[in-house]
This record gives sequence, structure tokens and C-alpha cells, in this order.
Amino acid sequence: DAKTTQPPSMDCAEGRAANLPCNHSTISGNEYVYWYRQIHSQGPQYIIHGLKNNETNEMASLIITEDRKSSTLILPHATLRDTAVYYCIVRGSSNTGKLIFGQGTTLQVKP
Amino acid sequence: NAGVTQTPKFRILKIGQSMTLQCAQDMNHNYMYWYRQDPGMGLKLIYYSVGAGITDKGEVPNGYNVSRSTTEYFPLRLELAAPSQTSVYFCASSYTGLNTEAFFGQGTRLTVV
Repeated sequence: DAKTTQPPSMDCAEGRAANLPCNHSTISGNEYVYWYRQIHSQGPQYIIHGLKNNETNEMASLIITEDRKSSTLILPHATLRDTAVYYCIVRGSSNTGKLIFGQGTTLQVKP
Repeated sequence: NAGVTQTPKFRILKIGQSMTLQCAQDMNHNYMYWYRQDPGMGLKLIYYSVGAGITDKGEVPNGYNVSRSTTEYFPLRLELAAPSQTSVYFCASSYTGLNTEAFFGQGTRLTVV
């Protein structure tokens, strides 16, 4: 499974867009990029995933570069409740569905 | 639809004791997973199952056992608890292995003293 690299922490002003980067330079052709977040010590929550096209849902947008070596999660209007640890995960191509978590990015949304 | 339900929410064990962490899902998901999360760290995969009767080791399986006799339940057994097993344990499930989201339970906080 491809590894991911994320900055350990980021700040964002409330109401502004939060752009969380992720590097996954060893991703292979049929591996998906997933984003989860963990608020306080709750169970991780699914946000969005994609293969090669940009994706958008009610929570966020996912921008994947053309070479698929990096991606950006965008929270368009961050609120205080978006303060959490965000995990970028490349889901394995072996069809076992394993999610291998890294350290993630701690996003602090400030008033 | 309760999703993924874990019991108990909290437990204190003495060194050498055993216990079973329960996990149940009502979404008819084929795939189920057990993770542990130590303070300030990301989640580590302990065991996973791609269907009833099929289980496999993850990143950190030592000291644990699992079984999957039905689609709904995926219990995690700790034998001879050790302080190093103090952690928060999360169970998760997904319908398939690719292109679907995984749903997580709210966790079991275990302390071994």
C-alpha cells in the first residue's frame, strides 16, 4: 500500500477555506485516495474518496493532481466543529479494504 | 440502523486477565476490521475479516485473537492482558474492500493495570 505524507498541523480561520495537502507519490493505478477525520477521541468519520477525478460532496472537495502523486482536501467554509485530525489514506489494491492510517494533520479552526 | 456498535465503552483489566471486545454491525457488511489507537498516534490495524469464516492479521496482531462466525459479529479476544495493550480499540466495517467507505464504532477504552 502506498504511504502518505501530511503536515502534522495546520491552522485555519473560521469561515475560510481549509486546504489540507497530502503527498502519495508511490500510489499505483487502481488505488483510491480516502480522507477521514477524527474529532476528539471519537471513531474516524469518512469524508470523501477519489481515484483520479476531482470529487465533491456535502462535506468537502477532493482535488487529485493529474499524476495522482498528491491531493488536497478542501473544506470550503471551515467551522469550529471542523477542528479534528484529518487522515489521508491510500486504500490498498489487494481488495482487502485495509485502511492504513498515518499520523494525519491536526487542523485547528480558530475564531 | 445502529451502524457499528462496540461494547463495552470502558474497561479496566488487571495484568494477566482476559476479555473479549464485542463488535456488531447491522449493515450486512462483508468486511470488518479491528484497530487500536495509542495516545497521540494514528490507528493501527490489528485484524481484519473479508467475510464470515475468514480472518487475517493486520499490522499489530500479537496478543490478540479474532473469530468471525457470522456476518454481523467480529469479537476481539485479549488473552493475558499486558500494560502495552492499554489503548482505545475501534471496530469498523465496509460493504466491500474498494471504492466504499468504512464505518467506525465509537471505541472501547481499555486500561490494563
